[in-house]
Amino acid sequence: DIQMTQSPSFVSAFVGDRVSITCRASQGISNWVAWYQQKPGTAPKLLMYAASSLQSGVPSRFSGSGSGTEFTLTISSLQPEDFATYYCQQVNSFPLTFGGGTKVEIK
Amino acid sequence: QVQLVQSGAEVKKSGSSVKVSCSASGVRSSSYAIHWVRQAPGQGLEWVGEIHVIFGTTNYAQKFQDRVAITTDEFTGTAYMQLSGLTPEDTAIYYCARAPHNPEYCNFGCCPAWEWGQGTMVTVSS
Repeated sequence: DIQMTQSPSFVSAFVGDRVSITCRASQGISNWVAWYQQKPGTAPKLLMYAASSLQSGVPSRFSGSGSGTEFTLTISSLQPEDFATYYCQQVNSFPLTFGGGTKVEIK
Repeated sequence: QVQLVQSGAEVKKSGSSVKVSCSASGVRSSSYAIHWVRQAPGQGLEWVGEIHVIFGTTNYAQKFQDRVAITTDEFTGTAYMQLSGLTPEDTAIYYCARAPHNPEYCNFGCCPAWEWGQGTMVTVSS
């Protein structure tokens, strides 16, 4: 199975800050990574697919990059509604696997 | 607008089975899979498995291979996940999610989940 190692597991940041979250795959997976946002008590929401393609309706302050084994989700200017937990997922091969999550909290 | 509606919360005893349903509406394309993902209290997301709604092909995480069955009723647009041999470690919210098949964002049938159900809480007591 492909392991997805996500870091950091916790980020404390101010509104307006730039935040980056990294996911490392245990083997090369081209650009087959998706990113999700989950707010407390709700289901996850797809933000990004194919590493850098923004899902419809997702604000442009979110961006994704990377290929091979290292991937990054960046929020250019953190907004109050962005405080949530973020997960990466590899969709290169079955079984699909998630990173451990990054909780973004208000400083 | 695609909507996934799951069945209600379940309370089960260790050793028993649970069957959770997921009804999809508003879907225009028939080429998609239904994934099942679980989340234990305070923990991250764990992929359980998936089924293609037309072909009926399934893929499961090795961890659940021996005790999970994911099925679908193509006429009603409802998918089911049955998990047997329950233990308290299976206590979690179980989500279904729809993954449309499109080569733009899928790799040989491995696709991200675009829409999610509301989740079904399954509680297992010893």
